[in-house]
Amino acid sequence: DTGVSQDPRHKITKRGQNVTFRCDPISEHNRLYWYRQTLGQGPEFLTYFQNEAQLEKSRLLSDRFSAERPKGSFSTLEIQRTEQGDSAMYLCASSLDRAPLHFGNGTRLTVT
Amino acid sequence: EDQVTQSPEALRLQEGESSSLNCSYTVSGLRGLFWYRQDPGKGPEFLFTLYSAGEEKEKERLKATLTKKESFLHITAPKPEDSATYLCAVHIYNTDKLIFGTGTRLQVFP
Repeated sequence: DTGVSQDPRHKITKRGQNVTFRCDPISEHNRLYWYRQTLGQGPEFLTYFQNEAQLEKSRLLSDRFSAERPKGSFSTLEIQRTEQGDSAMYLCASSLDRAPLHFGNGTRLTVT
Repeated sequence: EDQVTQSPEALRLQEGESSSLNCSYTVSGLRGLFWYRQDPGKGPEFLFTLYSAGEEKEKERLKATLTKKESFLHITAPKPEDSATYLCAVHIYNTDKLIFGTGTRLQVFP
């Protein structure tokens, strides 16, 4: 059990560019979650998958955001046409059914 | 609207000085309450889950309790390595997401 892995750890991009983050969950976990966290705030839910099916999406997830989990394994989160307000830590978590979430160490996005 | 409020926002303790962190919640139906610890630059680390009023869980110097409206995280004789942000989150019926509070930043100095 190597834990939840996220790549890259840091990403700096210019406004208007597209970015993609990857998350590798704990291997036997069927659920995968994406959260966003800004400084001084708690994590905010974005979306979650059970296996390959995306079952819930937050209103925070505008049409510039898209997430996939092909074959129910790793997941990607893409942000198109980034804005300065997208700067945050993007956290991935996984779980086996409704067991507690295990988080990765996040990808810190800075949009200049 | 479902809401989680944590207090205080920040807490400074001297090593050995016990205290409590509060998490109050207003939700439509509580399925479970979670406590996490978060160190700077890292993801939250799971500590406890509580499911019903009156339940208590302990781990080393930490004890979590739950009532119908709030949860407490009691820290007994803290050490500097307990310094972190402590996050509370609720899992409610009709959704599979966790709703987090804004956390309590704890500093324990020698």
